[in-house]
Amino acid sequence: EAGVTQFPSHSVIEKGQTVTLRCDPISGHDNLYWYRRVMGKEIKFLLHFVKESKQDESGMPNNRFLAERTGGTYSTLKVQPAELEDSGVYFCASSPLGNTQYFGPGTRLTVL
Amino acid sequence: GDSVTQMEGPVTLSEEAFLTINCTYTATGYPSLFWYVQYPGEGLQLLLKATKADDKGSNKGFEATYRKETTSFHLEKGSVQVSDSAVYFCALRMASGSARQLTFGSGTQLTVLP
Repeated sequence: EAGVTQFPSHSVIEKGQTVTLRCDPISGHDNLYWYRRVMGKEIKFLLHFVKESKQDESGMPNNRFLAERTGGTYSTLKVQPAELEDSGVYFCASSPLGNTQYFGPGTRLTVL
Repeated sequence: GDSVTQMEGPVTLSEEAFLTINCTYTATGYPSLFWYVQYPGEGLQLLLKATKADDKGSNKGFEATYRKETTSFHLEKGSVQVSDSAVYFCALRMASGSARQLTFGSGTQLTVLP
């Protein structure tokens, strides 16, 4: 069974540009989460989808971040426009209802 | 709000040494507790978990006991190997309610030397 995949693995962009991160969860997992680790600090929750609906987006830092999950399958996280403080590693995780979260390898975003 | 505090790294040990990584938490209820590990170039993997007080989670020689009285979940291994070199994250998740996300500590980088 394929695990959670994320694309790209690494993205380097300039301040003011737009970047879109993609996450493909494990097939059949209704729950999808986005997290972020900035500069070696703790991993912080961004938002949670249940199927295609946003269950909790309390961790989204500001309105430059937009997450979607079309059809309840893969999800995208767009940052527009990117700022220097957005640099970090973005993790996606998926789970069946209420169970262990399985994480992807992360996308390392560098904003110059 | 809920939070997790874990021992700052980096930690460097020789092979076969004893490992302890401290983790304490603050939560308003009774959370489930987790240790995740991230090996170089890979995603986070669940190492072990405990869902109630006095439970002991164990996996791959690692152990952690849920201590409600000290609000702790320290990770231990009796004899580390070079292959244990990784970043270790302590985390909690509330057992009920709408908040299903994990709350993580800052991570501890472990390097084991041959």
